[in-house]
Amino acid sequence: GQNIDQPTEMTATEGAIVQINCTYQTSGFNGLFWYQQHAGEAPTFLSYNVLDGLEEKGRFSSFLSRSKGYSYLLLKELQMKDSASYLCAVLDSNYQLIWGAGTKLIIKP
Amino acid sequence: GAVVSQHPSWVICKSGTSVKIECRSLDFQATTMFWYRQFPKQSLMLMATSNEGSKATYEQGVEKDKFLINHASLTLSTLTVTSAHPEDSSFYICSAPSGLAGYNEQFFGPGTRLTVL
Repeated sequence: GQNIDQPTEMTATEGAIVQINCTYQTSGFNGLFWYQQHAGEAPTFLSYNVLDGLEEKGRFSSFLSRSKGYSYLLLKELQMKDSASYLCAVLDSNYQLIWGAGTKLIIKP
Repeated sequence: GAVVSQHPSWVICKSGTSVKIECRSLDFQATTMFWYRQFPKQSLMLMATSNEGSKATYEQGVEKDKFLINHASLTLSTLTVTSAHPEDSSFYICSAPSGLAGYNEQFFGPGTRLTVL
């Protein structure tokens, strides 16, 4: 079966750095997405990785290793507004998005 | 980026009534749209794939006769929850892929919160 694992919840301090991991086992791979979702709102796009390596976009970076079925989202200089759920999703061979359960990130002052 | 709208944003209805939710792609054409349901503190669950001009494809366990999907144009898909019951109360979200070559980002609507009394 298809499976995506990410931690349920993480806590970090304002101004610090946090890494949210995602491992996946899917039928085929056409890219991995990270989305941010604030409570009661729809997800918003953060990043897309289809090749191995690190993609940097401002305070957020996303890494992918296809051979290991592994990705992480790195958030730097954390701000209180970064408190949200972070969803990892993989596009499988049928171009269907397979979603992880999300990681709730709590930022403390 | 591409914009997807949903209407209504929230709705409260009595048990047994039907509710229609609209999903529109505002600045691009979407031959495919996806409908998701999200219960509190849970991840998105794909309900069905809506295809313009043809029947929707439903995920296992989703009743097609209860959740009617119509994708009549390249910019509009509707989800009708028929004979709604309290257990149908949830956050319903639609999305549409941008379709840009080599990049399959999905753009999400703002969601519709349905409460069935």
